[in-house]
Amino acid sequence: AQSVTQLDSQVPVFEEAPVELRCNYSSSVSVYLFWYVQYPNQGLQLLLKYLSGSTLVKGINGFEAEFNKSQTSFHLRKPSVHISDTAEYFCAVINSGGYQKVTFGTGTKLQVIP
Amino acid sequence: DAGVIQSPRHEVTEMGQEVTLRCKPISGHNSLFWYRQTMMRGLELLIYFNNNVPIDDSGMPEDRFSAKMPNASFSTLKIQPSEPRDSAVYFCASSLFRGPTNEKLLFGSGTQLSVL
Repeated sequence: AQSVTQLDSQVPVFEEAPVELRCNYSSSVSVYLFWYVQYPNQGLQLLLKYLSGSTLVKGINGFEAEFNKSQTSFHLRKPSVHISDTAEYFCAVINSGGYQKVTFGTGTKLQVIP
Repeated sequence: DAGVIQSPRHEVTEMGQEVTLRCKPISGHNSLFWYRQTMMRGLELLIYFNNNVPIDDSGMPEDRFSAKMPNASFSTLKIQPSEPRDSAVYFCASSLFRGPTNEKLLFGSGTQLSVL
């Protein structure tokens, strides 16, 4: 079975400061990894994905994430946050091959402070 | 495309009543997911359809919950009878699975269900 852990439920950060949102996964097989963002009263939107290839992936809105297989991590980073980045961020995993079950983490609320 | 369309946006009902949530996936998508979101449990996958066939319904909490997908453009999630603990936001998401994975789930705006 696959699982995703987001240790930080809330992350406050000042505007223009860098931020890292942590994600660790557990799976007995290789995985595909995703970050989604949820703005208030909306559904989730895909931010970026790792399927294969380069372990550093870039997404929308200046976000990037790095896949680290040895540490089973997929942390999300942004060098300088904006007020509009205030939202909830979800890490997700799919096991490669077979059934396409998307498992989400519990989410991290990013609060950008002006 | 208008995106994944869910109805109603809000539903308030009394305990014991039947509730039906509706979802219209994006045209051409072959995978459909129903999720439930609560503060306590986060996002839980309830059921996953591929090509209108339920692949995994292990997340459906009880027999009170049922889901159908009679065709590629429509799905329903029914709760009968409803209970206060069913109060949550229910999301429908669709995706085009061409292998190796469902790369991009597109979510609807959700249905906020309140059972009194």
